Amino acid sequence: GEQVEQRPPHLSVREGDSAFIICTYTDSATAYFYWYKQEPGAGLQLLMSVFSNVDRKEEQGLTVLLNKKDKRLSLNLTAAHPGDSAVYFCAVSVGNNNAPRFGAGTKLSVKP
Amino acid sequence: EAAVTQSPRSKVAVTGGKVTLSCHQTNNHDYMYWYRQDTGHGLRLIHYSYVADSTEKGDIPDGYKASRPSQENFSLILELASLSQTAVYFCASSRDIDERLFFGHGTKLSVL
Repeated sequence: GEQVEQRPPHLSVREGDSAFIICTYTDSATAYFYWYKQEPGAGLQLLMSVFSNVDRKEEQGLTVLLNKKDKRLSLNLTAAHPGDSAVYFCAVSVGNNNAPRFGAGTKLSVKP
Repeated sequence: EAAVTQSPRSKVAVTGGKVTLSCHQTNNHDYMYWYRQDTGHGLRLIHYSYVADSTEKGDIPDGYKASRPSQENFSLILELASLSQTAVYFCASSRDIDERLFFGHGTKLSVL
């Protein structure tokens, strides 16, 4: 089955710096890609989603890059602020009634 | 905003006892999921369902049963709870398999 690796597990940056998170997946049929954010004591909230025909997507200080050749998905938070401190998860799905699989998460700390 | 409600929010169970975690959604979504979250493992898929009265096994179904008696309700049943099932359990729903998941707040289960 699909294997999703996410790194780093922990990331600490200063306010205003960028934070970069990478996920790799194994199934070349994977077609749907997501980034979720989890704040303490809460469920996950969707940040961004991309379909496999998109290489790059930017929204509100977030950039998602998709490299299908290398089976790699990344999230870049530009100009991070303390409110971005949370756990971030990537998720991928091949569709066809196959449920999304998640990475292990990255705990991001943004220090003032 | 789509709503997924889990109950209970937390539970302490004894080893060998039966535990039922409940999930209710008011989103009119066809797909529902159960994931467990453990430190270092991210979210792992236990069971999911895309239609009432039918469930599918995820990646770690052993020791768990699922029940989808209606579109709105999806339960996770631990017939003989074990220490290793101590975790936070998340229910989620989605309109389709390739669409964003809406998560509940989670159930913290401690098996003693």
